[in-house]
Amino acid sequence: GENVEQHPSTLSVQEGDSAVIKCTYSDSASNYFPWYKQELGKRPQLIIDIRSNVGEKKDQRIAVTLNKTAKHFSLHITETQPEDSAVYFCAASRGGRRALTFGSGTRLQVQP
Amino acid sequence: SQTIHQWPATLVQPVGSPLSLECTVEGTSNPNLYWYRQAAGRGLQLLFYSVGIGQISSEVPQNLSASRPQDRQFILSSKKLLLSDSGFYLCAWSGRGLYNQPQHFGDGTRLSIL
Repeated sequence: GENVEQHPSTLSVQEGDSAVIKCTYSDSASNYFPWYKQELGKRPQLIIDIRSNVGEKKDQRIAVTLNKTAKHFSLHITETQPEDSAVYFCAASRGGRRALTFGSGTRLQVQP
Repeated sequence: SQTIHQWPATLVQPVGSPLSLECTVEGTSNPNLYWYRQAAGRGLQLLFYSVGIGQISSEVPQNLSASRPQDRQFILSSKKLLLSDSGFYLCAWSGRGLYNQPQHFGDGTRLSIL
C-alpha cells in the first residue's frame, strides 16, 4: 500500500519568512495530493491540492509543487503570519475508490 | 452547500462499554464516507471507508466496526471498548467523480476511555 513520509515534524519560522514542508510517497500510481491544516482541537481543513497532471499550483501565499519522477511534493508558504501556526498534513491517493494516506504531520510555529 | 455533522463532540466511556458514533452529510448525494482516528499529536489513520449503502471497507483490523444504513449516514461502533481506542475520531466525505475529489472533515469526536 501507499506510504507517505513528511518532514520536518516541527518547523519554527519568524513572521514574514517562508516555510517549506516536504512529503515523499511510495506508490507511483498516486495521482492526487492534498494538503490539510489542522488547528489545535479542530478539524483538518483542506488548504490546497494538486493532481499529477500539473507540476505546481498556487493560491495566494500558498503553493504546492509536485515531482512525479522523484515521488515527492512540497508545500510552500510565503510571508508567514502568526495565524499560519498549525499542524499541516500532506496526503496521497491513487484515485478511484482509494482513500487518502496521510503523512505524520508538521507542526508549524510562526514567531511574531 | 454541503455540511457534515458528527456527534457527540466529546465522550468519556469505561473500558468494556459499547460505542456508537454517528456522522451525517447534508447537501450531497451518494458521497464517499470515511472514518479516521487521530491519536494525540499524531497523524490520521484511516479506519473505514464506504462508497455506498451497506458497502464498507476496513483498513485496520480492530474491535471497531462501521455501518452505512442510509446514503448519507455513517456509524462507527464497538461492542467492547479498549483503552487503546482513545483518540479523536473524524468522519469525512468526498464527492464522486472520475478523479479523486477533496475530502472534507467533520468536527470530530474526542473519545476518552477510562
